Amino acid sequence: DGGITQSPKYLFRKEGQNVTLSCEQNLNHDAMYWYRQDPGQGLRLIYYSQIVNDFQKGDIAEGYSVSREKKESFPLTVTSAQKNPTAFYLCASSKREGSQFFGPGTRLTVL
Amino acid sequence: AQSVTQLDSHVSVSEGTPVLLRCNYSSSYSPSLFWYVQHPNKGLQLLLKYTSAATLVKGINGFEAEFKKSETSFHLTKPSAHMSDAAEYFCVVLTSGTYKYIFGTGTRLKVLA
Repeated sequence: DGGITQSPKYLFRKEGQNVTLSCEQNLNHDAMYWYRQDPGQGLRLIYYSQIVNDFQKGDIAEGYSVSREKKESFPLTVTSAQKNPTAFYLCASSKREGSQFFGPGTRLTVL
Repeated sequence: AQSVTQLDSHVSVSEGTPVLLRCNYSSSYSPSLFWYVQHPNKGLQLLLKYTSAATLVKGINGFEAEFKKSETSFHLTKPSAHMSDAAEYFCVVLTSGTYKYIFGTGTRLKVLA
């Protein structure tokens, strides 16, 4: 089945620790995205990538980093520089100017 | 600059009555418009999309939306609400030639028995 997967579903981070969220798609989409969702709010764009080995900052990139070494994969690292990382993280992919398809999300909690 | 405004943060309807979720957009160029639904702790699921073909767009689960350029609106409707429709709904605009999707702040739909 074609789709987009995220792992883990739940993640706990200690203060000062970096963590990496996984996002994989087998839809053959060129573009991939990372969003952050806080309770009662819409989605805010962290990073996006239009093509392998290239990515751009979104609206709230500070404290996050990404890589795009393969078309299928777009991992997000939440660094210790992100002061308030507790949130629901959503990954998406799309064809150019097409509909976005979303993964099931990762809930990150800082202990 | 493009933007999306969802006019109601919360909407409550009784089961079996019509649903109306309102969305206004601002875009300099011909936009693509989408509606997504999100159930608690889940990802977003596409309900429907408008891409400059027919102005009345039919989606999944009985939802439809009408693109009105003169009113810059893209309201989502359903003739008869079901309990399973209770969720959060997002209106999204994509300006032609870009990769940046702009999300509204969401409307939480509550369906009363």
